[in-house]
Amino acid sequence: DAGITQSPRYKITETGRQVTLMCHQTWSHSYMFWYRQDLGHGLRLIYYSAAADITDKGEVPDGYVVSRSKTENFPLTLESATRSQTSVYFCASSRLQETQYFGPGTRLLVL
Amino acid sequence: DQQVKQNSPSLSVQEGRISILNCDYTNSMFDYFLWYKKYPAEGPTFLISISSIKDKNEDGRFTVFLNKSAKHLSLHIVPSQPGDSAVYFCAATGTNAGKSTFGDGTTLTVKP
Repeated sequence: DAGITQSPRYKITETGRQVTLMCHQTWSHSYMFWYRQDLGHGLRLIYYSAAADITDKGEVPDGYVVSRSKTENFPLTLESATRSQTSVYFCASSRLQETQYFGPGTRLLVL
Repeated sequence: DQQVKQNSPSLSVQEGRISILNCDYTNSMFDYFLWYKKYPAEGPTFLISISSIKDKNEDGRFTVFLNKSAKHLSLHIVPSQPGDSAVYFCAATGTNAGKSTFGDGTTLTVKP
């Protein structure tokens, strides 16, 4: 299906475990983004990518790792999950200075 | 230092009346502004945008106004409908910046 998808939609994990959130888009957009949304904080940028193999830190990158070997995929890895990383994670894509298209989100609970 | 601020966490209006959502920014390099709408359990969706070369952009019931000297933009919804009840995010970006900076959002409730 065309669009942007995220998986899993829901994830429960334990402190210290590695977790990878997947994001896939079918528009061949150059830019891809990862945000987290917490109550009272709106959308905070974790990492973004301008093209395959080009990534850059956002506002809150600590504890996260990204990669972008293919234009359409932008996985986000929590190398050692902490309770403070419990959040809703949104992936988005766009062409340069244009509208971002968001995925449906992944709800992550770290116990 | 928050570069995009939405100072009203919530707004409640009656159906049929005007909703006005406000957004302030501090970075003079921002030259493109967007509003997104978000329903619970869904990702944000694009609503309307405005370039810094304009001071107004209209799309149906939605109008965005930009006051560059005051570094302020507002979203007007007329008339408001119950289906407009959602969280509205203001976002700003600079030329060739790629990434946007988002405000914390305003929760709009439209009462029937």
